Amino acid sequence: IAGITQAPTSQILAAGRRMTLRCTQDMRHNAMYWYRQDLGLGLRLIHYSNTAGTTGKGEVPDGYSVSRANTDDFPLTLASAVPSQTSVYFCASSGELGNEQFFGPGTRLTVL
Amino acid sequence: DAKTTQPPSMDCAEGRAANLPCNHSTISGNEYVYWYRQIHSQGPQYIIHGLKNNETNEMASLIITEDRKSSTLILPHATLRDTAVYYCIVRAGGTSYGKLTFGQGTILTVHP
Repeated sequence: IAGITQAPTSQILAAGRRMTLRCTQDMRHNAMYWYRQDLGLGLRLIHYSNTAGTTGKGEVPDGYSVSRANTDDFPLTLASAVPSQTSVYFCASSGELGNEQFFGPGTRLTVL
Repeated sequence: DAKTTQPPSMDCAEGRAANLPCNHSTISGNEYVYWYRQIHSQGPQYIIHGLKNNETNEMASLIITEDRKSSTLILPHATLRDTAVYYCIVRAGGTSYGKLTFGQGTILTVHP
């Protein structure tokens, strides 16, 4: 692994199903983030984690949950997917607060 | 975080310098100017950031006006691979988390 990876690359999901998007980084970064990107709205922060064991809400957290059991992994869970959660999801990490963020390749999620 | 204003689109000939402007007239003293870009279907990529001094790295130069109300990102010799959406972001230092607020950005098209 080099950098930050996300899985799956894309997914089509029925409404009401549970889904976990995976994010892993091998840079030993303390901070990790989840964004969603929608046409006309840019990237919006969903949840973040400053360090392992802590998480916080971004600007659009409703319908999503995260956990940070260790430094490397930061999964994003949709407990009961809805069509408005159709989006491209990007995970990012940064070594220190204020430093540049490194982004993963994204997960394209479609909820029908 | 301060709001930024960027032109929606710009063109540049390959091999020429691309100068991308950004207005941030409400920037405050502890806010940094960050530039990211997003090539189609990829995650955003960090380019450069600065507080008040001009900055240069292997990718670009950042020129910040003395009053800090505007800045210019310079790609000295644009290539076709520099075609992307460029985001100018203003973010306070020392925030509790490294949230980046992405606006609409500037679509830069580099043509042969």
